[in-house]
Amino acid sequence: GENVEQHPSTLSVQEGDSAVIKCTYSDSASNYFPWYKQELGKRPQLIIDIRSNVGEKKDQRIAVTLNKTAKHFSLHITETQPEDSAVYFCAAPAGGTSYGKLTFGQGTILTVHP
Amino acid sequence: DTGVSQDPRHKITKRGQNVTFRCDPISEHNRLYWYRQTLGQGPEFLTYFQNEAQLEKSRLLSDRFSAERPKGSFSTLEIQRTEQGDSAMYLCASSLGGKGHTIYFGEGSWLTVV
Repeated sequence: GENVEQHPSTLSVQEGDSAVIKCTYSDSASNYFPWYKQELGKRPQLIIDIRSNVGEKKDQRIAVTLNKTAKHFSLHITETQPEDSAVYFCAAPAGGTSYGKLTFGQGTILTVHP
Repeated sequence: DTGVSQDPRHKITKRGQNVTFRCDPISEHNRLYWYRQTLGQGPEFLTYFQNEAQLEKSRLLSDRFSAERPKGSFSTLEIQRTEQGDSAMYLCASSLGGKGHTIYFGEGSWLTVV
């Protein structure tokens, strides 16, 4: 099955700085990589995802890059704001196919200091 | 779009009791998933349905756990003879099904076994 490793486990930045979270996966057949943001006591919310036919995707201050050869993908948040503080999870399809059976990383606690 | 709804949101039960959680997916979604999340961890896949058929169960789903989706709409997750280790948030998610469709999570049902 898929194994997803996520780093760092905690990340502290000043408001306006950039934040980068990295994930590696094990199954070369995986073709869909979502990122979820989870605030305390709330549900995980999809913030961006990328499919294996592209190397980068951007949505305003958020971007995701994918390196299929190295089997890693990263979340980039620019111009961070205090409301970006949350736990971020990367995920990859268990078994390689892009349906909802996802394997999640361990999570990164992002703290943005005003 | 009313989103994925779950009920109850919080449940405190004594060890040995049975509990049941309900999930109502987004109306046009034919796939429904159950995940479990403990503090400090990412969600872990438990089981999923396509319409009324339960297609896969994780080994995490012991014989005390049973899930149903009798009419292909709402689903229930029952835990019999609860144990303290069952304390977690139980997340339901749904998707349109097929490859490449994003899953959307509900707000979760918090279970505390005392």
